Amino acid sequence: AQSVAQPEDQVNVAEGNPLTVKCTYSVSGNPYLFWYVQYPNRGLQFLLKYITGDNLVKGSYGFEAEFNKSQTSFHLKKPSALVSDSALYFCAVRDGKAGNNRKLIWGLGTSLAVNP
Amino acid sequence: SQTIHQWPATLVQPVGSPLSLECTVEGTSNPNLYWYRQAAGRGLQLLFYSVGIGQISSEVPQNLSASRPQDRQFILSSKKLLLSDSGFYLCAWKTGGGYEQYFGPGTRLTVT
Repeated sequence: AQSVAQPEDQVNVAEGNPLTVKCTYSVSGNPYLFWYVQYPNRGLQFLLKYITGDNLVKGSYGFEAEFNKSQTSFHLKKPSALVSDSALYFCAVRDGKAGNNRKLIWGLGTSLAVNP
Repeated sequence: SQTIHQWPATLVQPVGSPLSLECTVEGTSNPNLYWYRQAAGRGLQLLFYSVGIGQISSEVPQNLSASRPQDRQFILSSKKLLLSDSGFYLCAWKTGGGYEQYFGPGTRLTVT
């Protein structure tokens, strides 16, 4: 069965420190992987995706993520956290089989708090 | 550029009343459209998705329904709301050949 796990409900980091938000997945085929961010009472904003190619993917707002096939992980990273990065982060995966209506499987979200 | 709208932004409805939430997308044609519900500020539950006019797939059997009367319009409805229908409702779209979904601002529904 397809699944996504975000093992940490909450991550706390100090401003200026590097941050990592973890995600692991399970799909039967090649994965398409996504990260989204949600600020309070707002819709989700797309940050980045991995479809194929370079394992290190760069996205919006200085975020990047590393695809690791052997560990089935797609952790979100940022070298230097900002207080404004405090939000809820979602990882999602789609099975890379053919079909344009393939659904995304969503993690439960990780709340990131960046302390000044 | 593409834009997605949802309205109303907030809604308070009594138990047993009807519901209609609307989502429209501008700047694209024949998008895939999605309705999600988010409870308690956490996980997303896919409710319905549509790959074209009149084509609706339901993910969770419940007292909600969806319709797509026009290419870029997606409506979520209920004849009688339950307390458990409270939540944050999000509409999303993507291009038919694309990968990522793009979300609207959401509707906060409180059923009293």
